[in-house]
Amino acid sequence: EIVMTQSPATLSVSPGERATLSCRSSQSVSRNLAWYQQKPGQAPRLLIYDASTRATGIPARFSGSGSGTEFTLTISSLQSEDFAVYYCQQYNNWPPGTFGQGTKLEIK
Amino acid sequence: QVQLEQSGAEVKKPGASVKVSCKASGYTFTSYVIHWVRQAPGQRLEWMGWINSVNGNTIYSQKFQGRVTFTRDTSANTAFMELSSLRSEDTAVYYCARDLVLIPAAMGAFDLWGQGTTVTVAS
Repeated sequence: EIVMTQSPATLSVSPGERATLSCRSSQSVSRNLAWYQQKPGQAPRLLIYDASTRATGIPARFSGSGSGTEFTLTISSLQSEDFAVYYCQQYNNWPPGTFGQGTKLEIK
Repeated sequence: QVQLEQSGAEVKKPGASVKVSCKASGYTFTSYVIHWVRQAPGQRLEWMGWINSVNGNTIYSQKFQGRVTFTRDTSANTAFMELSSLRSEDTAVYYCARDLVLIPAAMGAFDLWGQGTTVTVAS
C-alpha cells in the first residue's frame, strides 16, 4: 500500500498571502494525484486531479504541481474561505486509493 | 441539483451491523461508479471500496473484505453500504462519493460527495 505523507501538519498564513502545501508518496504515483479541501462538519471537496487539473468551479488561485513522488498545492492569495484542512490522495496504485493525513491551513 | 443524499446517523452495539444509504439525484445514477470512504475521529480519510452502479460489480479494500457489502437499487438511484461485526474502531463518518469519470472507466478521484453518515459503535 502506498503511504502518502503531507507537510506541514499545520500551516499558519495571513489572508492575501501564498500558501504552499506538500505531499509525498512512498513510491511513484505518476501524476495520479488529487487534492481535496475539507471544512469542519463538511464532506471533502475536490480541488485538483491529475496533479494539476482544477476541478469544475475551482478558482484559479488554486494550483497543483508535481509528479512521481513529490507534489505541491499552492493557493496564491488566501481568502478567508480557504482556511480548512487539505488532503492529497493517490489513485495510481489501487485498490486502495490512499490519502495523506492532512494539512490544516489556519489564519495567522 | 446534483447531489448524493445519505441516511441519518446510527448508533450500534459492538457485533451489530449497519446499513447506510446514498441516494443520487440530478444526474444519471448508472453513469458513474460510487465509492465509499470513511473518516474516523482525528484520522485520515480511508477508502473502503466501490460499486459499479450499472452491473453491481464491487471492489473492496482488503481491510474490509468479508465485513462490508455494497449494493445498489437502480430503480431508486440508491447505493448501500453494509458493515457487519462492528467494533468501536468502526466509529466514523461514512461517505459515499462519485467517481470523476464515466463508467466503464473509474479514476479513483471523487468529484461529488454525500454529506456523510456518522456511525457510532458503543456498548
